[in-house]
Amino acid sequence: DARVTQTPRHKVTEMGQEVTMRCQPILGHNTVFWYRQTMMQGLELLAYFRNRAPLDDSGMPKDRFSAEMPDATLATLKIQPSEPRDSAVYFCASGLVGAGVSTDTQYFGPGTRLTVL
Amino acid sequence: GQQVMQIPQYQHVQEGEDFTTYCNSSTTLSNIQWYKQRPGGHPVFLIQLVKSGEVKKQKRLTFQFGEAKKNSSLHITATQTTDVGTYFCAGGEYGNKLVFGAGTILRVKS
Repeated sequence: DARVTQTPRHKVTEMGQEVTMRCQPILGHNTVFWYRQTMMQGLELLAYFRNRAPLDDSGMPKDRFSAEMPDATLATLKIQPSEPRDSAVYFCASGLVGAGVSTDTQYFGPGTRLTVL
Repeated sequence: GQQVMQIPQYQHVQEGEDFTTYCNSSTTLSNIQWYKQRPGGHPVFLIQLVKSGEVKKQKRLTFQFGEAKKNSSLHITATQTTDVGTYFCAGGEYGNKLVFGAGTILRVKS
């Protein structure tokens, strides 16, 4: 049963610390999304990649957030320095887009619950 | 930019009652998707609608895509406690990013 995995599942850190979240997309998927979910803002798209290339990161605060795909099996989202307002659940999702694919379903990972004190 | 509005924000129903959530886009969509998120869980894909006026059913769930491809609805017949969760619509251009609605939180009282 193919799934998106995310680590860590929970992270508590202090303001100013660096936080790195990792995502392993479903093998064979060529698109990876990073979302942030809060009660106030709902589900916000931060960035997404196709074939490891960033397509859109307009939803991401550039001064402190960075997203990369070092290889096809790993996506990372880094916050440096972290702030209390970054506290949220961060979801990674992957999908397959291309010839012969009739839907662009996104498969979400379990999320990383981040608390910045 | 594109916006997707979803109503109601919250609905509390008695088990056995019907439930409907509505989704409206500021622009014409190529497709609309519906996701369900259980409390403490992650969004899970339910269905994708592509054609104007399309109607699809999954057991007690009925999904509709408007003729103008700017609105959609999800209707649940005879709700059960297992239907509890947040239902999101998400619209966009195929192969590109989705814009999610704010979601409708459904609570079912047994």
